[in-house]
Amino acid sequence: DQQVKQNSPSLSVQEGRISILNCDYTNSMFDYFLWYKKYPAEGPTFLISISSIKDKNEDGRFTVFLNKSAKHLSLHIVPSQPGDSAVYFCAASARTGRRALTFGSGTRLQVQP
Amino acid sequence: EAQVTQNPRYLITVTGKKLTVTCSQNMNHEYMSWYRQDPGLGLRQIYYSMNVEVTDKGDVPEGYKVSRKEKRNFPLILESPSPNQTSLYFCASRDRGYSPLHFGNGTRLTVT
Repeated sequence: DQQVKQNSPSLSVQEGRISILNCDYTNSMFDYFLWYKKYPAEGPTFLISISSIKDKNEDGRFTVFLNKSAKHLSLHIVPSQPGDSAVYFCAASARTGRRALTFGSGTRLQVQP
Repeated sequence: EAQVTQNPRYLITVTGKKLTVTCSQNMNHEYMSWYRQDPGLGLRQIYYSMNVEVTDKGDVPEGYKVSRKEKRNFPLILESPSPNQTSLYFCASRDRGYSPLHFGNGTRLTVT
């Protein structure tokens, strides 16, 4: 049973438009959420995070929104650029000693020039 | 440059032949972990280590071993690899508390 779900395997947007990537979770113990970006032949790289005490965090073109009641978070990229084309993973960790990251299955974003 | 280094990048082996994938980090991180990535399943944690000589199982530990004799190194050992361990493996490390994981570039393992 996947505790972190990314229901859209792929997304295609035009350059300059907004990209919205979605993520749902089921574990109410999750209190820290992250987005990672992954290019082919490279490891995932950290993009942005949000604590459960916030509902929004912004870093340049990237904004993450957290809706705790719906157990839903989203990543907004504005404006989208061709270099943003990658696989995006949503991840969450619970307030336990292990603090392991539980990952979603990823969404492949393609930004068309 | 701060980094996590894994070797080898690619490995093809046969069932039952013991192998080790090395991982080293130069950020003085206490926490290190191994993940495997499989299509449709995202990344799943195999083992983790909170500090030297402290290791524990993740979500999918069967068929794997690890050791943490030094802070910077965290090798992944497959004593008797099987085809279902064909996967893309990532080593990662992080600082204490609410810190993001830093990943290596991955090791693609094929077991025939």
